[in-house]
Amino acid sequence: QVQLQESGPGLVKPSETLSLTCTVSGGSISSFDWTWIRQPPEKGPEWIGHIGRKGNTNFNPALKSRVTMSLDTSKNHLSLILNSVTAADTAVYFCATDYNYVLDVWGQGTTVTVSS
Amino acid sequence: QSALTQPPSASGSPGQSVTISCTGTSSDVGGYKYVSWYQFHPGKAPKVMIYEVSKRPSGVPDRFSGSKSGNTASLTVSGLQAEDEGDYYCSSYAGGNTYVFGTGTKVTVL
Repeated sequence: QVQLQESGPGLVKPSETLSLTCTVSGGSISSFDWTWIRQPPEKGPEWIGHIGRKGNTNFNPALKSRVTMSLDTSKNHLSLILNSVTAADTAVYFCATDYNYVLDVWGQGTTVTVSS
Repeated sequence: QSALTQPPSASGSPGQSVTISCTGTSSDVGGYKYVSWYQFHPGKAPKVMIYEVSKRPSGVPDRFSGSKSGNTASLTVSGLQAEDEGDYYCSSYAGGNTYVFGTGTKVTVL
């Protein structure tokens, strides 16, 4: 079964750019569609956006102006970039496979703190 | 996009049942059959327990069941076991290739 591992900087300063990677093992990223989700402390998850296996994207309207998603087939990983971060972007960030409207395989998540 | 509304907590003794509600609108829960339920444990990968309102993925015990009526979906855990403790979140397709999650329910086995 495919396994996912998110990775990132841990700490990002306000106004800077957050860059996260989701490394895929046990399968090819070209075989799946993907979703990024985040969960702020003490809150429910928030859907960030979706990237299809062909690179087509859809984003949460609240984040659309700051989000970029991409696939790197040579490294078998996907990436999330979030610009101009603020404290409100502090969260655990997850990637997941997206199959027929179900997020059926998730990574364990990576914690991102936005602070100076 | 507003979060779907869930009760903050639910509890039951071993062997009992708990039901968690997930209330949205006709633009999400009420409008589509794509409601899922996820179990979260800190530090672990979240797990899908129910998809398409009432379908169970392979490996999920049949103690877990889902239903929907109008704008409200429900997850029922029958025959509660200690390992069922955790945070449960519903999620619904909301049109336009977007999704919305619930506010979450902490399930405690007494």
